[in-house]
Amino acid sequence: AQSVTQLDSHVSVSEGTPVLLRCNYSSSYSPSLFWYVQHPNKGLQLLLKYTSAATLVKGINGFEAEFKKSETSFHLTKPSAHMSDAAEYFCVVSRNQAGTALIFGKGTTLSVSS
Amino acid sequence: EAGVAQSPRYKIIEKRQSVAFWCNPISGHATLYWYQQILGQGPKLLIQFQNNGVVDDSQLPKDRFSAERLKGVDSTLKIQPAKLEDSAVYLCASRQLGQRDTYEQYFGPGTRLTVT
Repeated sequence: AQSVTQLDSHVSVSEGTPVLLRCNYSSSYSPSLFWYVQHPNKGLQLLLKYTSAATLVKGINGFEAEFKKSETSFHLTKPSAHMSDAAEYFCVVSRNQAGTALIFGKGTTLSVSS
Repeated sequence: EAGVAQSPRYKIIEKRQSVAFWCNPISGHATLYWYQQILGQGPKLLIQFQNNGVVDDSQLPKDRFSAERLKGVDSTLKIQPAKLEDSAVYLCASRQLGQRDTYEQYFGPGTRLTVT
């Protein structure tokens, strides 16, 4: 069965410092993996996705994630946090091989202080 | 292009009452999803439509939840009767029909339901 585990429920960083949000996955087949972001009172937005091409995936707003099969991880990083990055982040795995349905993690709240 | 529209944005009802949510997907998107997001958790898929047919409703509590997508465009999700544990944000998403993961899911703003 497919599942994702977000290892931190809350991450706090200072503006200008690196961001690391951790995610481990479990999948019985080659997975499709995603990161979504949810800002307060706004809809979910796709940050980036991995679909078996390059293992290092670049997304919007300077975020990137690396697929590591040996570690079953898909951690999200950003070199320098911005105040506007404060939001809820979800690691997501495809529910089926077609990739048409998603399973969300519980989310990580990112706080950014000045 | 216009995004996924949902209404109402907020709804407060008493337990055992009925409620309905409406979703209008992005024009041309054949696949439509309803998710339930309980406070502090990630969204959970309730039902997936392709055009006006149900693809996956395995996580829909069918004793009280129902959904339809007439004419393959708009969709409604109904709860009857509501329970306290149904308090959540109900999200609608849509996606173009295509190859594996070719197209992303676009999410609406959600309907926040409070059951008292």
